[in-house]
Amino acid sequence: QSVLTQPPSVSGAPGQRVTISCTGTSSNIGAGNDVHWYQQLPGTAPKLLIYDNDNRPSGVPDRFSGSKSGTSASLAITGLQAEDEADYYCQSYDKSLSGSTFGGGTKLTVL
Amino acid sequence: QVHLVQSGGEVKKPGASVTVSCKSSGYRFSDYSIAWVRQAPGQGLEWMGWIRTYNGNRNYAQNFRDRVTMTTEISTSTAFLELRSLRSDDTAVYYCARKPPNWDDIFVDFWGQGTLVSVSS
Repeated sequence: QSVLTQPPSVSGAPGQRVTISCTGTSSNIGAGNDVHWYQQLPGTAPKLLIYDNDNRPSGVPDRFSGSKSGTSASLAITGLQAEDEADYYCQSYDKSLSGSTFGGGTKLTVL
Repeated sequence: QVHLVQSGGEVKKPGASVTVSCKSSGYRFSDYSIAWVRQAPGQGLEWMGWIRTYNGNRNYAQNFRDRVTMTTEISTSTAFLELRSLRSDDTAVYYCARKPPNWDDIFVDFWGQGTLVSVSS
């Protein structure tokens, strides 16, 4: 059981906007710790998508954006494309674990 | 360009140990830390810990503290993960990944291709 809660799945049609939530507690996101997001395409290693809540690494399209408020964070994907179909994971530091932790992951299906 | 290349898959019996290597290129190895993350079949990502390459300081996740050792060899830009007393639920793909050197930065920006470790009697 992850201390960061993500919906198991989300879906959207091409061109639409979807959001993936990451809900934490006062021990992690609510304590002011940064949230990071990763995309994992089938059969490949994860890829950093968003770091420090809302920053995109070089090469990540601006269709991907992150935000954080209170004990939660969100990843938004606009202009959904077929190649966005993947698993998405949030990550943050947790004080009670004294280390990093990942959310359980969200499978995005492009209809 | 940054690359992390891991050693090949392993098959081990319960109770044995395994060592996975991760060779970095395309950046100065000692300027970054190396983290290890694993993923059991069909499951999510699990953080195992990280090591500062320039001084060997380590931060292990609670779940692995008594069974894991992370080391680095600066001369070859290689990091190593040793996991002992293997159990069947240690069957997973093990990833190494580059992490910023700051203690507070826990994100990883480049990943190895993964190493499948299978534990079975």
